[in-house]
Amino acid sequence: KAGVTQTPRYLIKTRGQQVTLSCSPISGHRSVSWYQQTPGQGLQFLFEYFSETQRNKGNFPGRFSGRQFSNSRSEMNVSTLELGDSALYLCASSPEGTSGRARQFFGPGTRLTVL
Amino acid sequence: KQEVTQIPAALSVPEGENLVLNCSFTDSAIYNLQWFRQDPGKGLTSLLLIQSSQREQTSGRLNASLDKSSGRSTLYIAASQPGDSATYLCAYSGGSNYKLTFGKGTLLTVNP
Repeated sequence: KAGVTQTPRYLIKTRGQQVTLSCSPISGHRSVSWYQQTPGQGLQFLFEYFSETQRNKGNFPGRFSGRQFSNSRSEMNVSTLELGDSALYLCASSPEGTSGRARQFFGPGTRLTVL
Repeated sequence: KQEVTQIPAALSVPEGENLVLNCSFTDSAIYNLQWFRQDPGKGLTSLLLIQSSQREQTSGRLNASLDKSSGRSTLYIAASQPGDSATYLCAYSGGSNYKLTFGKGTLLTVNP
């Protein structure tokens, strides 16, 4: 099976712009989660989707949003970019529908740089 | 606040040594705990997953243990190799949500 894929791999944006990142989970996986990784804060949970529904959201401002499509692919959007949004954004998929007990498989990430 | 602490933050060892990485967490109601490896600039690779009902898991030279009562997990790497050099992260899933809570990681360097 192909792994989790994320596009694009690298992005450079300027402050105030918006950006959309895409994640395709492993075939058959229905849960997709997003994480932000920065040197200072480490890995922080953004949100998780299952069957097109957001089940959980981390402590991020409303500028961060996401959605999941019927084929389980997911996108996240960041509006009005700030310098502090520069980070590696990681997507993870899991076959688990309940309780979060399954292994999570991560993609290679999208490196976002905000100038 | 749920927290995960990993000690040490960095570790440098000569090739062939056995080593232990430590992870402690504050949430006693965990579902599982995972150990990941991250190479520079790359995504995370899942190494081992321990369910809350299990005490340990093994994969090749890796052995991970879980002690829920004390809130601790260890990752044991036997006969370390230069290719083991990476950042190792532990994370647990717990409570009524569906997220992983991560530690800051241990940067491991294995010198030839």
